[in-house]
Amino acid sequence: EIVLTQSPGTLVLSPGERATLSCRASQSVSNNNLAWYQQRPGQAPRLLIYAASSRATGIPDRFSGSGSGTDFTLTISRLEPEDSAVYHCQQFGSLPYTFGLGTKLEIK
Amino acid sequence: QVQLQESGPGLVKPSETLSLTCTVSGGSVSSVSYYWSWIRQPPGKGLEWVGHIYYRGTTNYDPYYNPSLKSRLVVTLDTSKNQFSLNLRSVTAADTALYFCARVNFNLRGYYYAVDVWGQGTTVTVSS
Repeated sequence: EIVLTQSPGTLVLSPGERATLSCRASQSVSNNNLAWYQQRPGQAPRLLIYAASSRATGIPDRFSGSGSGTDFTLTISRLEPEDSAVYHCQQFGSLPYTFGLGTKLEIK
Repeated sequence: QVQLQESGPGLVKPSETLSLTCTVSGGSVSSVSYYWSWIRQPPGKGLEWVGHIYYRGTTNYDPYYNPSLKSRLVVTLDTSKNQFSLNLRSVTAADTALYFCARVNFNLRGYYYAVDVWGQGTTVTVSS
């Protein structure tokens, strides 16, 4: 199965700054079929990005995804306090679909 | 819009069977554009794909089980009730987790996948 490694584990930034989150796959993700989710405390995850770089419906353009093959990035610009959450990447390139362990983003 | 709601016992004894049901509203489990999925999150850990099921029409279903759970897991679909279910037998403390039911859209821009609808999750604890 494809193992996804997310880094850093925790990221502490200030409002207005830019966050760069990494997701590295143990093998190439077919068709770059990779998604990113945001999970706030006590909530279910919410889809942010699919196909590595396509924003889901209703997601502000402060969130952007990039990358291909084995290296993917989620960038959040102009950070706001409500961006505090855990961010997960998930691959749909091959079964079983797998997730990374998440990056916790704290806005202070 | 489509909503998913998990239901089932919050406490299960070791060696017994964990049974959860997901009720779908605002949409149909008979839709051929989606997988209906179970995902779990052990306390303090990452998300794990448990399994999913796909409706192929006329009582023809196509389940998939995570190989790590395949010997203990059954996922079913009930189109008459617009529900899908998970049964995980012989549970241990390692099965303690927050269980989500979710919808996978596999037709984004034609062939991309993502979980676009999640239930709120239900906590299951395995303990005597």
